[in-house]
Amino acid sequence: SQKIEQNSEALNIQEGKTATLTCNYTNYSPAYLQWYRQDPGRGPVFLLLIRENEKEKRKERLKVTFDTTLKQSLFHITASQPADSATYLCALGGGFSGGYNKLIFGAGTRLAVHP
Amino acid sequence: KAGVTQTPRYLIKTRGQQVTLSCSPISGHRSVSWYQQTPGQGLQFLFEYFSETQRNKGNFPGRFSGRQFSNSRSEMNVSTLELGDSALYLCASSLVSSGGTDTQYFGPGTRLTVL
Repeated sequence: SQKIEQNSEALNIQEGKTATLTCNYTNYSPAYLQWYRQDPGRGPVFLLLIRENEKEKRKERLKVTFDTTLKQSLFHITASQPADSATYLCALGGGFSGGYNKLIFGAGTRLAVHP
Repeated sequence: KAGVTQTPRYLIKTRGQQVTLSCSPISGHRSVSWYQQTPGQGLQFLFEYFSETQRNKGNFPGRFSGRQFSNSRSEMNVSTLELGDSALYLCASSLVSSGGTDTQYFGPGTRLTVL
């Protein structure tokens, strides 16, 4: 079955540094990959989507890369701020029979940005 | 535009009871997906509805069911509740485009506690 792995340990970084989160997957060929942010007690909030034929996507301070050969995505937050502290979820989609609105989520990585 | 709304936000039930959760998607969104989130299993896909039809289904027992109405609002039902059903139930809505990479927008969730 499909498996997604994200950094299981919390990531602690200093304000202003770049945070890099990893998402690795096996037994799956997704059509796209998404990153979400989730704060305690709240639903995930969509951040970025990258398709299988794209290598890199950027949005403001966020950058995501997608390497379908390595089966890996990297998510970068540059010039990080304490307000970026949250859990970040990687989700794979597409490639399922019967439709594409089914996402498989990783367990998430908790990011803590310290002043 | 108003976001995805879910009611109720919190619910306490006892084992053996049944529960119905409601989700109103973003106006114009035609697809509604449901997810269960627990500390041990993370976010897991339950099912997706589009045009009042279940289009995708996850690996959950038949006690979990859902439906979608003509106005795209959706309900999910869990019968014969078990302690392990305690979780945050999240609803996500999306447009259905021809591209096949619809962003899913999540609601705040319903926190279900089974005693």
